[in-house]
Order: sequence, then structure tokens, then C-alpha cells
Amino acid sequence: GAVVSQHPSRVICKSGTSVKIECRSLDFQATTMFWYRQFPKQSLMLMATSNEGSKATYEQGVEKDKFLINHASLTLSTLTVTSAHPEDSSFYICSARGLALVNEQFFGPGTRLTVL
Amino acid sequence: ELKVEQNPLFLSMQEGKNYTIYCNYSTTSDRLYWYRQDPGKSLESLFVLLSNGAVKQEGRLMASLDTKARLSTLHITAAVHDLSATYFCAVDANFGNEKLTFGTGTRLTIIP
Repeated sequence: GAVVSQHPSRVICKSGTSVKIECRSLDFQATTMFWYRQFPKQSLMLMATSNEGSKATYEQGVEKDKFLINHASLTLSTLTVTSAHPEDSSFYICSARGLALVNEQFFGPGTRLTVL
Repeated sequence: ELKVEQNPLFLSMQEGKNYTIYCNYSTTSDRLYWYRQDPGKSLESLFVLLSNGAVKQEGRLMASLDTKARLSTLHITAAVHDLSATYFCAVDANFGNEKLTFGTGTRLTIIP
């Protein structure tokens, strides 16, 4: 149980385009989802926290107009990187926490974004 | 601001040896997590520590939590090559927002 999926697993796009990443909880309802970014050989940095049906809370320094987060249902959150640039290239990982699983976050497999 | 530091950042050890990774954090918390990450992969949950004095073991790995010292340890016993990975601790600072702050990570390499 407690499986989180992400799609796509890998995406390459041109500079200036937008990319959408989906995060799904497959076998539980995720009241809260988190989006992280990880640069090579570095730790995970939290970008934003999203709760179903409400606006995401962004961490300091994360541009909310550039990284659009939508948590439209209890099993799906999306991250859209708008007008992507090479410096946005990174490994994006989502995690989810459920009502019955409050003491743990379950991590998705990650999405490798490369912006050319 | 919560800070989470791991020590060492890099660790190269021979198979069969024992070693400990340390995770120090700067504010009160009684929820600490250990994860493993293989190259190019996401996180794999290893341990969830939810109270002072908590100790958990799985195979050759054992984790403990001392909330008074704000310290957690991940002990490796008789290391084998398969344990080579990067290990992260993460702290939930109980601010009511469920956010995790990750440590810097320890890159472990087990040499045959």
C-alpha cells in the first residue's frame, strides 16, 4: 500500500515552454502533497505544500507564478513549470500524506526535467 | 529556521565494518525519518522515529533518536556492498505544517 506515482518520469523540453508533472496517490487519499526539487548531488528542497481544494503554500524563494501547483482531487496534484529555462533543470519529487497515514510521507519516483 | 546536519557527508568503508551516521537538528522535534536514495532514483523510506529513545532495526541498519540531544544515528553493522547509497535524515519540526527539512545527505560507498 501507500504508492505514489509520477508522470512523466523524464522530460526534455525547449527553453520557454511549459511542462506539467503529475503526482498521484494510487491506493490512498492524499490530503496533503509536497513538491521537492533536487539538484545533482544535493539534498531535497521543499518547494511547496498543497492541500486538496486550496491554494498551495510556497517556500521562500520559490516563484508561485513560475511553478503552478494544482491539487484538484484527493489523489492528484500537478506541478506546471511555466516558461522553463535551463536553470529549472532538476529532479522533481512529490510526496503525499494521507488521513490514515499522518506520520509519514510517501514519495513518488521523481521526474527528471531537462530544459535545453 | 530549522537546520539539519549530517555527519559525515561522504563515507567510504570496507565490507564487514561497522559505522555510524549522525544527524543533528536545531529545534525541538520528536519525528525523524531516515531515507535511502540510489543514484537517479527517488527516496526509499527506511525508518520512522516518533519518540525520544526510539530504536528501530532492519537488517544491518539500526536507527535511534535522542530528542533531548536533538540527535539521531543510523548505525551500519557488517556493511555489504548493497548498502552503498546516499542516506538522508529528515525532521518534522512539529510546527503543525507537516513539512520535512532534509539533512545534507551522507554518500556511503562500501568497498569490497
